Amino acid sequence: DSGVTQTPKHLITATGQRVTLRCSPRSGDLSVYWYQQSLDQGLQFLIQYYNGEERAKGNILERFSAQQFPDLHSELNLSSLELGDSALYFCASSGDTLGTYGYTFGSGTRLTVV
Amino acid sequence: GENVEQHPSTLSVQEGDSAVIKCTYSDSASNYFPWYKQELGKRPQLIIDIRSNVGEKKDQRIAVTLNKTAKHFSLHITETQPEDSAVYFCAASERYGGSQGNLIFGKGTKLSVKP
Repeated sequence: DSGVTQTPKHLITATGQRVTLRCSPRSGDLSVYWYQQSLDQGLQFLIQYYNGEERAKGNILERFSAQQFPDLHSELNLSSLELGDSALYFCASSGDTLGTYGYTFGSGTRLTVV
Repeated sequence: GENVEQHPSTLSVQEGDSAVIKCTYSDSASNYFPWYKQELGKRPQLIIDIRSNVGEKKDQRIAVTLNKTAKHFSLHITETQPEDSAVYFCAASERYGGSQGNLIFGKGTKLSVKP
């Protein structure tokens, strides 16, 4: 157990639907990062939050949004889902305020859009 | 922003041989370079990292070297074992607004170690 908890582990939904992925960081970590990993693809950075504030944005689609709550857990919302959104979504957390030290990844949520 | 290129995309070696994976980065201000190992269906796990004030770091059979001038860094695995088979990702920290931010990853190298 890495200390980063992601739920659900698996999610199957239809095109056009909306889903929410949840991430609880390691105790004490203030930064949360979301990554998308498609089949045979690398880790695409989506968005970073630090202590409730958005810190950086990567290649995140407008149909996707995220937030970090006062208890530091984070949610990634994916709407108007398309087949191409099927992927493994990882959350990671970091204990360093500037994110310069190694992340700890959660086990991921596998999203399948049918 | 930062861009990380990783080569090769696949690497097959015999057990006991060495494996080398190379990465280049674009942002000369990046100063943190971790390597992650991801087994099939599992989360990426940090195996070694290096900071820009160090040229080389070793941990048992794994070593990483950094050439800041050329903006490239490499992972070296010696005496490879079948359990080393996995996808390896390099990464570099991205800077913005004068501070370090998120990690940008290379596309990964699938290492296969044949018994």
